[in-house]
Amino acid sequence: DSGVTQTPKHLITATGQRVTLRCSPRSGDLSVYWYQQSLDQGLQFLIQYYNGEERAKGNILERFSAQQFPDLHSELNLSSLELGDSALYFCASSRSIGSGANVLTFGAGSRLTVL
Amino acid sequence: DAKTTQPNSMESNEEEPVHLPCNHSTISGTDYIHWYRQLPSQGPEYVIHGLTSNVNNRMASLAIAEDRKSSTLILHRATLRDAAVYYCILRDAGGGTASKLTFGTGTRLQVTL
Repeated sequence: DSGVTQTPKHLITATGQRVTLRCSPRSGDLSVYWYQQSLDQGLQFLIQYYNGEERAKGNILERFSAQQFPDLHSELNLSSLELGDSALYFCASSRSIGSGANVLTFGAGSRLTVL
Repeated sequence: DAKTTQPNSMESNEEEPVHLPCNHSTISGTDYIHWYRQLPSQGPEYVIHGLTSNVNNRMASLAIAEDRKSSTLILHRATLRDAAVYYCILRDAGGGTASKLTFGTGTRLQVTL
């Protein structure tokens, strides 16, 4: 157990639907990162939050949004789902930002299947 | 982010040492070298990182070339549980928006009996 908790572990839904993935960071970690891993794209960085504020954005689609709440947990919202959104979604957390030595701890992932 | 180059795949026998190479010829003076691995059906897992000097921890050793343009992750005795994709990543010490990790395609390590 890495200390980063992601729910749900598996999710099956239909095209056009909306889902929310949840992440609880490791105790004491202030920064949360979301990554998408599909078969043909590898691990793609989506977005990062630090203490409730968005800090970096990657190739996140406009249909996707995220936020980090005051208790530091984060949610990734995926809407108008398409078949191509089927992927593993990983959350990671870190103690801080601003250092090249900063280490990320990843959760076990949420597997999304869009039918 | 500065780019790294790794072999697509490597094979090792169990109980043998494994040397996983990584080239990063465009590394800047403030880039840390990080290694993560991803076991099948799991999230990525931190292995080791370093800046200039060689590093050892309970999982592996990291050997960094004197000019820092390459590095080698060393697993001293590979086991079947070490079969994974190993990613070599550069992280800027400047932080801020550079604090994300950018994953490449990594090296898929196969370990056989």
